[in-house]
Amino acid sequence: DAEITQSPRHKITETGRQVTLACHQTWNHNNMFWYRQDLGHGLRLIHYSYGVHDTNKGEVSDGYSVSRSNTEDLPLTLESAASSQTSVYFCASSRTSGAYNEQFFGPGTRLTVL
Amino acid sequence: GEDVEQSLFLSVREGDSSVINCTYTDSSSTYLYWYKQEPGAGLQLLTYIFSNMDMKQDQRLTVLLNKKDKHLSLRIADTQTGDSAIYFCAEIENSGAGSYQLTFGKGTKLSVIP
Repeated sequence: DAEITQSPRHKITETGRQVTLACHQTWNHNNMFWYRQDLGHGLRLIHYSYGVHDTNKGEVSDGYSVSRSNTEDLPLTLESAASSQTSVYFCASSRTSGAYNEQFFGPGTRLTVL
Repeated sequence: GEDVEQSLFLSVREGDSSVINCTYTDSSSTYLYWYKQEPGAGLQLLTYIFSNMDMKQDQRLTVLLNKKDKHLSLRIADTQTGDSAIYFCAEIENSGAGSYQLTFGKGTKLSVIP
């Protein structure tokens, strides 16, 4: 069955370190998204991609980067982790970028920055 | 971006009806969505409504849309303990060039008391 996976599921790191969170989908969806979920803020969009080599900034992109070298993967990199980036990160993908836009979510990665 | 507002908590007894409310701000949203997040998991699309509809029913779920007041509600009939989850309202926004993004509310945590 097609799916979307994230790894690792849990990560503890130190301030200043570079961290990369992986996202892999097997639906062959063009569109992929990264969100962070924080108490009191709901889900906020970090970066998104509408296809290979396409990347766009979302609402809270500072301190994060993404690259899209193939259809299946959209890794999220924290260049220099900060305590404010402690959060639960969700990757999602969708087949279309139109007005009907069902997104399929991964199980999430819980990141703690000490 | 536009704000989607929801109350944060709702507690109901098993067998009662649950009503989760949402207000949105983008009057041009063509689709409005309800996503469900079970504990420790990603979000999953529960139902959606097209903006030219007032109501949509899907088994125990009823979605009501009041476009004049920009108010969306989700009613769950005969609420079960398995319905305990966080429910997110989301609106679709045109991000330009024919592409759309979802804007999520903060989520309503539904607790079902046995």
